[in-house]
Amino acid sequence: GAVVSQHPSWVICKSGTSVKIECRSLDFQATTMFWYRQFPKQSLMLMATSNEGSKATYEQGVEKDKFLINHASLTLSTLTVTSAHPEDSSFYICSEGQGFTDTQYFGPGTRLTVL
Amino acid sequence: KQEVTQIPAALSVPEGENLVLNCSFTDSAIYNLQWFRQDPGKGLTSLLLIQSSQREQTSGRLNASLDKSSGRSTLYIAASQPGDSATYLCAVNLQGAQKLVFGQGTRLTINP
Repeated sequence: GAVVSQHPSWVICKSGTSVKIECRSLDFQATTMFWYRQFPKQSLMLMATSNEGSKATYEQGVEKDKFLINHASLTLSTLTVTSAHPEDSSFYICSEGQGFTDTQYFGPGTRLTVL
Repeated sequence: KQEVTQIPAALSVPEGENLVLNCSFTDSAIYNLQWFRQDPGKGLTSLLLIQSSQREQTSGRLNASLDKSSGRSTLYIAASQPGDSATYLCAVNLQGAQKLVFGQGTRLTINP
C-alpha cells in the first residue's frame, strides 16, 4: 500500500499561535488528500478534501479561514491551524485517496496540544 | 445524512476466543465499506475493504461481511491474540463522493 508521512508527529504551542502540519505521499502522486480530526475517545471526522492545484473543499462546520489547506504539489498537502486555541487540541490525520472504489492510506497522525 | 454506529464500544475477551464486531450504517448508497485498526496515538491501518457488490472479504484470521440492504457489516476475528488489542473502526465510502464516514470504533482488549 501507499506510504503517507506526517510532520511533526506531535506539537505543543501557545494559544494564539499558528501551527503547520505537513502530509506527504512518499510513493504515490496523490491528486486528492483528506484531512481528519479526532478528539479523545471519538472517531475521525473529515475536515476537508485537499485537491492538488485548487482550493480545498471544507466540510460543514469547519472554518476555512482557521484551517488553511495548501496542496501545491502531488506529494505534499499542508494544514495550518491559525490562531490556535485550546479547543483545537486534537489528533490530526491525513490520508491520500486513489479513487472512488479504493482504500485511503492514512498518515500516522499529528498530536496538537494548545496551551 | 449517513451515520455509522459500532457496537459494542468496548470489548474485553480472553486470548483464543473468536469474536464479532458490529457496524451499522443508515444509508445503503455506499461505494464500499472498510475496516481499520488504530493503535493508541497512531494512525489507521486498513484491514479489509468490501466493495458494495461483495458480500465478504477474508484476510488471515479476519473475515468481514457486508449486507448493504440492511446496512450492516461484521468483522469476525478468529483465535484472538493479545496483539489484536486495538480500536477497530469501520467506515463507509459514500457513493458519489470520495468521503469516508467513520463509526465511533470498538476498543478491543485481548487478555493473555
